[in-house]
Amino acid sequence: AQSVTQLGSHVSVSEGALVLLRCNYSSSVPPYLFWYVQYPNQGLQLLLKYTTGATLVKGINGFEAEFKKSETSFHLTKPSAHMSDAAEYFCAVSGQTSYDKVIFGPGTSLSVIP
Amino acid sequence: DADVTQTPRNRITKTGKRIMLECSQTKGHDRMYWYRQDPGLGLRLIYYSFDVKDINKGEISDGYSVSRQAQAKFSLSLESAIPNQTALYFCATSAGGSSYEQYFGPGTRLTVT
Repeated sequence: AQSVTQLGSHVSVSEGALVLLRCNYSSSVPPYLFWYVQYPNQGLQLLLKYTTGATLVKGINGFEAEFKKSETSFHLTKPSAHMSDAAEYFCAVSGQTSYDKVIFGPGTSLSVIP
Repeated sequence: DADVTQTPRNRITKTGKRIMLECSQTKGHDRMYWYRQDPGLGLRLIYYSFDVKDINKGEISDGYSVSRQAQAKFSLSLESAIPNQTALYFCATSAGGSSYEQYFGPGTRLTVT
């Protein structure tokens, strides 16, 4: 069984500050890990994903995340927040078989203060 | 045009009514999914379909049914709507297994009074 926890349902940062959104997962098998973003009144879109290989993954809009197996974490970071980053962010996990389903975390709402 | 479309975008209905939410996609994907989103709970899987003849229950399928009319169309029905089915519903598609990106529609906001 797999699960995802996201520390902090709401995070506020100043424009230009570091963005750090935390994600920890539980999985009995090697995981695939994802970050999705949801802008207001829109569906989710993929920011980045880890499947295999390099544990530091770069995504769109300057975001990146690092898979740390020993910490069962996949935290999302961005060096400098922009107003347009304000959105809901979802971490997700799945197993590696073709029939595994994706399990989403509860989400973290990011606010960017001018 | 959007790759994944959902109709209606908003719907208010009364307790006990049957309602259908529709999803269409132009991405040519075999796999389609229905999720509901509730504040603080993230997205939970209702039903999923790996092809036209393969439909499976997700973690919260009670009170819902689905129909996969074609590769491009996947409908979700609430047989007898109840207030705790008030939520935001998303359809999604993917090209393959769990490593593949899911593409989401814009969502249907359903209110059951």
